[in-house]
Amino acid sequence: NAGVTQTPKFQVLKTGQSMTLQCAQDMNHNSMYWYRQDPGMGLRLIYYSASEGTTDKGEVPNGYNVSRLNKREFSLRLESAAPSQTSVYFCASLTGTASYEQYFGPGTRLTVT
Amino acid sequence: SQKIEQNSEALNIQEGKTATLTCNYTNYSPAYLQWYRQDPGRGPVFLLLIRENEKEKRKERLKVTFDTTLKQSLFHITASQPADSATYLCALPLLSTSGTYKYIFGTGTRLKVLA
Repeated sequence: NAGVTQTPKFQVLKTGQSMTLQCAQDMNHNSMYWYRQDPGMGLRLIYYSASEGTTDKGEVPNGYNVSRLNKREFSLRLESAAPSQTSVYFCASLTGTASYEQYFGPGTRLTVT
Repeated sequence: SQKIEQNSEALNIQEGKTATLTCNYTNYSPAYLQWYRQDPGRGPVFLLLIRENEKEKRKERLKVTFDTTLKQSLFHITASQPADSATYLCALPLLSTSGTYKYIFGTGTRLKVLA
């Protein structure tokens, strides 16, 4: 039981390049989330998915797209990276139990130059 | 819009003392509130959930209170240890139109327990 996994762990992009951040969970959770974390800003929600086939915008969706490929996988795509997207990105999934616990992945540290 | 505030300044305390962290929120009446712990370079880890009808919740050396009138939650670590040093985040749920919860996180308070 690996929990939530994310790839890659680190990435450096040039402005204008594209990339996809991968996230997978093996806990059979329905809801999944993408956050970014910047110093002094806390965790901010980019997109979330209540179930396979559905996605919704969070607080800061501009410049990103997502795909809920199946119940396990939720990917985040940067089509044309900008320096403002330099951040640490976390994926999370939500348990269906009454604790409403989110399980977070280890994060992807992205630098856009 | 909903807003959460945590003391962004680091909190330094002596080992063995009780650490108290504060989470204030505005423009909202959440059904529950959560606390997470985050170590450097890692994702947050869930600690406790407290519901709106609960005044207090305990788990080992952790205690959380929830005052819906003051719109405030307090997070206490008793008999603190250097291993408790981390950043602590509070989170509030919003029920989305798609039927799941989405969350607002505070900026976190960094706690350092001095030996």
